[in-house]
Amino acid sequence: AQSVSQHNHHVILSEAASLELGCNYSYGGTVNLFWYVQYPGQHLQLLLKYFSGDPLVKGIKGFEAEFIKSKFSFNLRKPSVQWSDTAEYFCAVYTGGFKTIFGAGTRLFVKA
Amino acid sequence: NAGVMQNPRHLVRRRGQEARLRCSPMKGHSHVYWYRQLPEEGLKFMVYLQKENIIDESGMPKERFSAEFPKEGPSILRIQQVVRGDSAAYFCASSSGGTGEYEAFFGQGTRLTVV
Repeated sequence: AQSVSQHNHHVILSEAASLELGCNYSYGGTVNLFWYVQYPGQHLQLLLKYFSGDPLVKGIKGFEAEFIKSKFSFNLRKPSVQWSDTAEYFCAVYTGGFKTIFGAGTRLFVKA
Repeated sequence: NAGVMQNPRHLVRRRGQEARLRCSPMKGHSHVYWYRQLPEEGLKFMVYLQKENIIDESGMPKERFSAEFPKEGPSILRIQQVVRGDSAAYFCASSSGGTGEYEAFFGQGTRLTVV
């Protein structure tokens, strides 16, 4: 069955630290990849997406993600986090058909 | 341009009652998706609807759950005879085309608590 794994459920960082959130998926075919963010009390918002082309994708708010096909990974990165990045982050994969599969989410807490 | 609107934001029901969750998609969007979020489990797909049609309901429990997206009005997720295990956050998303190819915009969710 297709699945999306996010390695860390909870991450705690200090401001200015670098961030990398892992995401792996299980599917051998063509995929579209997404990272969503959910700030406390708000709805999910799209951070970035990869459909094709350059595997290094730039998103909003300084986030980027790299698609490594050989590793079935789409890790999210940010060089220097801010307190306002405290949120839950979801990796999602579309493999065709009608539904996008989401990971379990990673809760990031940034200490001021 | 209003986003995806869900109401109510919070809903409390006693066991055995019915819960009706509403979702108004973004203007111009005819594709609606419902997801359920349980703690530590991420978002689980429930159902995908287009106007007046259920396209994929493979994530819907076989009993007590139903969804509709009428020609006029919001999409409704209905849970009959709720049980404690139905307590969760239910999110609706809409897009202008099929998911994965078009960005899905999410509502703020409805938090259902069954007491």
